[in-house]
Amino acid sequence: ELKVEQNPLFLSMQEGKNYTIYCNYSTTSDRLYWYRQDPGKSLESLFVLLSNGAVKQEGRLMASLDTKARLSTLHITAAVHDLSATYFCAVQVWETSGSRLTFGEGTQLTVNP
Amino acid sequence: DGGITQSPKYLFRKEGQNVTLSCEQNLNHDAMYWYRQDPGQGLRLIYYSQIVNDFQKGDIAEGYSVSREKKESFPLTVTSAQKNPTAFYLCASSRTVNYGYTFGSGTRLTVV
Repeated sequence: ELKVEQNPLFLSMQEGKNYTIYCNYSTTSDRLYWYRQDPGKSLESLFVLLSNGAVKQEGRLMASLDTKARLSTLHITAAVHDLSATYFCAVQVWETSGSRLTFGEGTQLTVNP
Repeated sequence: DGGITQSPKYLFRKEGQNVTLSCEQNLNHDAMYWYRQDPGQGLRLIYYSQIVNDFQKGDIAEGYSVSREKKESFPLTVTSAQKNPTAFYLCASSRTVNYGYTFGSGTRLTVV
């Protein structure tokens, strides 16, 4: 059974600081996705990582993928309050019936002034 | 504009009742998915469908049923056999295996 583990699950940080969220997974995959969810809302796609060594950046967020270590990171640079949300990683696996995403538990980020 | 529409946004179910959640997409996506989210938790897969007239059980299919008679539509029925249905339900679709999912806005189901 595929396990996707994120840490930390809760993160409180000050504006202007840097931090990294980690996503570990237990099976071979070279497809990993990051999503953002605001309270009571749906999921918004942030990054799609499609190969080992992939790095994507958008604003203050940067995501990377190491398929050999089965690890993805989401790095936050100089955090601002607007980044407060829950962040999910999701790993894509293929089965005989097709592909599916398995999600981590989410990291609830709070950025304080 | 293309998108994925879930309805209703809020739904209340009485004990012993079946209810159906609607999910429609006009993105021409082949695959569709249903996830359940409980407060403070991640998403768990209920059912998914890669093509019309075919669907597969996910990790928590018990107490739920689906149909896929049209490419655009993937309704989820929460049956009376689902003992704890109160949750946030998210429908998603995807184009091919190298693309992530597009999510609907969700349906919040509450048992009263």
